[in-house]
Amino acid sequence: AQSVTQLDSQVPVFEEAPVELRCNYSSSVSVYLFWYVQYPNQGLQLLLKYLSGSTLVKGINGFEAEFNKSQTSFHLRKPSVHISDTAEYFCAVIGTGNNDMRFGAGTRLTVKP
Amino acid sequence: EAGVTQFPSHSVIEKGQTVTLRCDPISGHDNLYWYRRVMGKEIKFLLHFVKESKQDESGMPNNRFLAERTGGTYSTLKVQPAELEDSGVYFCASSAWRTSTDTQYFGPGTRLTVL
Repeated sequence: AQSVTQLDSQVPVFEEAPVELRCNYSSSVSVYLFWYVQYPNQGLQLLLKYLSGSTLVKGINGFEAEFNKSQTSFHLRKPSVHISDTAEYFCAVIGTGNNDMRFGAGTRLTVKP
Repeated sequence: EAGVTQFPSHSVIEKGQTVTLRCDPISGHDNLYWYRRVMGKEIKFLLHFVKESKQDESGMPNNRFLAERTGGTYSTLKVQPAELEDSGVYFCASSAWRTSTDTQYFGPGTRLTVL
C-alpha cells in the first residue's frame, strides 16, 4: 500500500515570496505522483503529475514539483506567489497497477499582501 | 464541457436518518470514484466504478454505505442510517481511461453534517 505525508498543515507566506510545500510518500512499488489544488467552494483541480521521465515537472499557474526517488519526496514549489494562490494543496500517489489514489492531509497555503 | 457535478452541495441530517448523494461525471467518462474527507484529515478513497460495475470498493467503511451507478452514468451514494462519524466532505471524480495515469477530475464535493 502507499501513503503520503504532507509535512506542513498550514503555510503562511507574503505575496511575491517563494514557497515550497512538502510531500513525502511511502510505497513498495513504483508510483505516480500528483498535486491537486482546491480553491474555496470548488473541486480539486490537477496542478501537475509525475508519471515518468524528467524528474522536474511543470504545472499550471507557475507551479513545479521535483520527484526525488531516493528521498521519496515530491515537493511543490513556486518562485513567486500571488494572493490568488491561497488555497489548499493536496499531494497524492497511485501505485503502478492500481487506481486507488492516496492523498495527504493537505496543506493550506495562505498568501498575505 | 461540463465538469463533474455533485448534489447537494451541503446536507445536514440527524443521526439515524438517510441521505443520498449524487454525482454526475463528465460525459463519456467510464470511471467514477468516490472519496471522503473527514474534517482536517486526508481524502480517502471509497470506491471505483467502471461503467456500472464496482471495480474496487475496498474503501467503503461499512455496510451502511451503498453506492450505485445504474446505466453507467450518474452515481448515488446512500448512507443509511447515518452516524456522527459519517460527517465530512464527499468527493466524486471521473476519468476517461482505466489507467493509473489518467487524470481524475473532481467535483466540488458534498459537505455532509450529521447531528
